[in-house]
Amino acid sequence: GAGVSQSPSNKVTEKGKDVELRCDPISGHTALYWYRQSLGQGLEFLIYFQGNSAPDKSGLPSDRFSAERTGGSVSTLTIQRTQQEDSAVYLCASSLAPSQWSNYGYTFGSGTRLTVV
Amino acid sequence: DAKTTQPNSMESNEEEPVHLPCNHSTISGTDYIHWYRQLPSQGPEYVIHGLTSNVNNRMASLAIAEDRKSSTLILHRATLRDAAVYYCILPNSSGAGSYQLTFGKGTKLSVIP
Repeated sequence: GAGVSQSPSNKVTEKGKDVELRCDPISGHTALYWYRQSLGQGLEFLIYFQGNSAPDKSGLPSDRFSAERTGGSVSTLTIQRTQQEDSAVYLCASSLAPSQWSNYGYTFGSGTRLTVV
Repeated sequence: DAKTTQPNSMESNEEEPVHLPCNHSTISGTDYIHWYRQLPSQGPEYVIHGLTSNVNNRMASLAIAEDRKSSTLILHRATLRDAAVYYCILPNSSGAGSYQLTFGKGTKLSVIP
């Protein structure tokens, strides 16, 4: 597509429920990143995919968070047993492969605003 | 990790040029300087990047000091749509093939009609 698409744009869930957030990157972008942004805070790196592999998961805050990517395209971020501190905007970004990335940067989606009540 | 320092906020009148400064005194020789901006309720948007030479694109210009310890993002004619938080970033290679963007507080630019 023309840009990075994320769905849903807003999600309200009850504490303890599981949620799935979807990211559809730009076609041809092999690198995909998940970040989250809490209210008034900067972006926090969560996980990086190159193709379907995730060589860097260092930002996932707990084992309740997981992500997968299939077909080198769509990625899903899953949060199990959601807690109120999980409330944030979850942003997905994609880019060309790292060897080419330095010339183009990232393209971000508009994010999913998750509210845990 | 190389750090960046930016003013918390700046104001500009519409149609006037804006110079947004960034200090990065611990930059290494291979660090690129990237600028992103984030409009209200949107994801960050890539603006421009450079390594050593000044750069121009349709959105902005980037002036890089000769010693690379500072840079300035230049918006030639500010419009109301340029009101956003502007982030100066030195992407961090994680060693796992990824380049993480560490977003600080950035500079909140207000444009006065």
